[in-house]
Parts: sequence; C-alpha cells; structure tokens
Amino acid sequence: KNQVEQSPQSLIILEGKNCTLQCNYTVSPFSNLRWYKQDTGRGPVSLTIMTFSENTKSNGRYTATLDADTKQSSLHITASQLSDSASYICVVSAGNFGNEKLTFGTGTRLTIIP
Amino acid sequence: NAGVMQNPRHLVRRRGQEARLRCSPMKGHSHVYWYRQLPEEGLKFMVYLQKENIIDESGMPKERFSAEFPKEGPSILRIQQVVRGDSAAYFCASSRQDTNQPQHFGDGTRLSIL
Repeated sequence: KNQVEQSPQSLIILEGKNCTLQCNYTVSPFSNLRWYKQDTGRGPVSLTIMTFSENTKSNGRYTATLDADTKQSSLHITASQLSDSASYICVVSAGNFGNEKLTFGTGTRLTIIP
Repeated sequence: NAGVMQNPRHLVRRRGQEARLRCSPMKGHSHVYWYRQLPEEGLKFMVYLQKENIIDESGMPKERFSAEFPKEGPSILRIQQVVRGDSAAYFCASSRQDTNQPQHFGDGTRLSIL
C-alpha cells in the first residue's frame, strides 16, 4: 500500500529562523515527489517537483531534497516569514505516463511567530 | 491558485439532497482530478478525467457519487442523496497532458450536510 508519512505533525518557530520538514514514503512505482503549501481555507500550491534523478530543487527560500534510496525527502525553509505559516504537504506520484496517482501526506502545520 | 475555478466555495445541503460541485480547469489543461479532504486528514484521490472520459475512478465510492467532464463546460462532481459523512472539502486540480507536471488546485468547495 502506498504511504507518505510526514514529521513533525506541527512546528512553531520564530520569524527569521530556519526549519526542516521531513517526509518518508513507500510508493511504487515511483514517478516524482512534490511539496505543496496549503494556506488555511485554500487549495494546495505547488512548491517543488523532483523526479528520481534529482537530489535537490530550490524555489526561493524553499529547498527540497530527495534521497530515492532511503525514500526520504526534506523541505528546508530559510529565513522564515510570517506568510510561511501554512500546512506543507509531501505528495508522491506513482504510476506511468498518462495515469499518475498521487498519495498525499497529512502535512506539517507550520506556525511562524513574530 | 489562479486559473482553476471551483464553485460554489461553500455548499450546505440537507440529508437526502443532491450536491453538485463545479470545476473549471486552467486554460490549456485537459486533465482534471477530484480529491476529498476530511478534517486533519490528507487529500484522498477520487477520480481522474479527461475531456468526455473517466480515466480512473478507483477512489470514488461506488454508490451516489459520479463525475463528468463534458466537451464543453466545467467538470461536475455529483453526490446524490447526501449523508452526514459526505461533509468535507472537495478539491479539483488540473494539469497539462505531460507527466511530471504539477497539478494546479482550486480553492475547494466546502460541503456541509445538515
């Protein structure tokens, strides 16, 4: 059964600090791994997408890493801002071209305090 | 989330009524996906459609739920004879034909059953 587990479940940090969110997955056949940001009451917004051959990808202050051997990914947020308060969701895609199926983690709820 | 339009944003129905949720994909996107999100849970895949075709409905309950994506107009998720357990946020996403492309999400329809 395809599964995506995220940790921690929630995290509170001071504005300006860095943080790292973790994602472990058991998904087959692996296609790609995505990180999404979901603000309260809104739909998820794509941050990064990485295929098997990519180890790291950045999007501004967000940097995602992927270790396909250990089936782990992390999302590092640098110099956090109040607007970073949101749920961060790790999503793993399985399947082949034309019929990918996404498995969603339950997310890490990040709160940035001033 | 600009581009994928879902309406209504909030929908209240009494038990036994029908609920119709609409989704207009981003311009140029021919693939539509529907997901359900219960409180404190990750998004769960329901159905994947292309124009006039259901590609994968493995996540959709066999009874009372149906989806369509007609040649003209938005995709519709229809829930007949709603029950309390149908209360959830329903998200629609769209993508281009290529694999490894991010799915762009709408802001969801929050369905409440009285």
